[in-house]
Amino acid sequence: NAGVTQTPKFQVLKTGQSMTLQCAQDMNHNSMYWYRQDPGMGLRLIYYSASEGTTDKGEVPNGYNVSRLNKREFSLRLESAAPSQTSVYFCASSVSMGHAEAFFGQGTRLTVV
Amino acid sequence: EDQVTQSPEALRLQEGESSSLNCSYTVSGLRGLFWYRQDPGKGPEFLFTLYSAGEEKEKERLKATLTKKESFLHITAPKPEDSATYLCAVQGAGANNLFFGTGTRLTVIP
Repeated sequence: NAGVTQTPKFQVLKTGQSMTLQCAQDMNHNSMYWYRQDPGMGLRLIYYSASEGTTDKGEVPNGYNVSRLNKREFSLRLESAAPSQTSVYFCASSVSMGHAEAFFGQGTRLTVV
Repeated sequence: EDQVTQSPEALRLQEGESSSLNCSYTVSGLRGLFWYRQDPGKGPEFLFTLYSAGEEKEKERLKATLTKKESFLHITAPKPEDSATYLCAVQGAGANNLFFGTGTRLTVIP
């Protein structure tokens, strides 16, 4: 049972480049999330999808877009990367928004130069 | 505004030396308080959910407790493999996400 799988694990981008972070879960969870983790700060929610077909902004959505492709997959897109987006990105999923025990992927370490 | 403060930021223990980690929180209507463990280079791993004051949960050497203002993660006779960062998070009523603290980095020395 793989749980939550993120790709890629590492990425270096130049300022202004775009990229998509992929996330897939095999636990039949309804809700999925994208968080970023920065030194000295707690995990912060970027976007979430309560269920297939819906997406909503979290705490820090600027500069990002998301797509809930199907029940399993939730992608995060950086349209024009900025150095401030250098971070570790985590995808997570849970049974539903009301059952918030979230299961996390291994993370994507992104550096924007 | 939801707020979570974890203390201490870092803790070094000798193997077998029991201690507690603290998570103080402010939230409008607590729906749940969560403890996670995070190893370097890995994603957070779910440990416990606590829903109401007075509730306790245990897993191996870990025991989590909850009051109306804080939660403690008690570590009894820790082993080096318990070394990790422990994260606390809360979900408030009407909130759609978890609000995380910055974590306590625990090091257990053999």
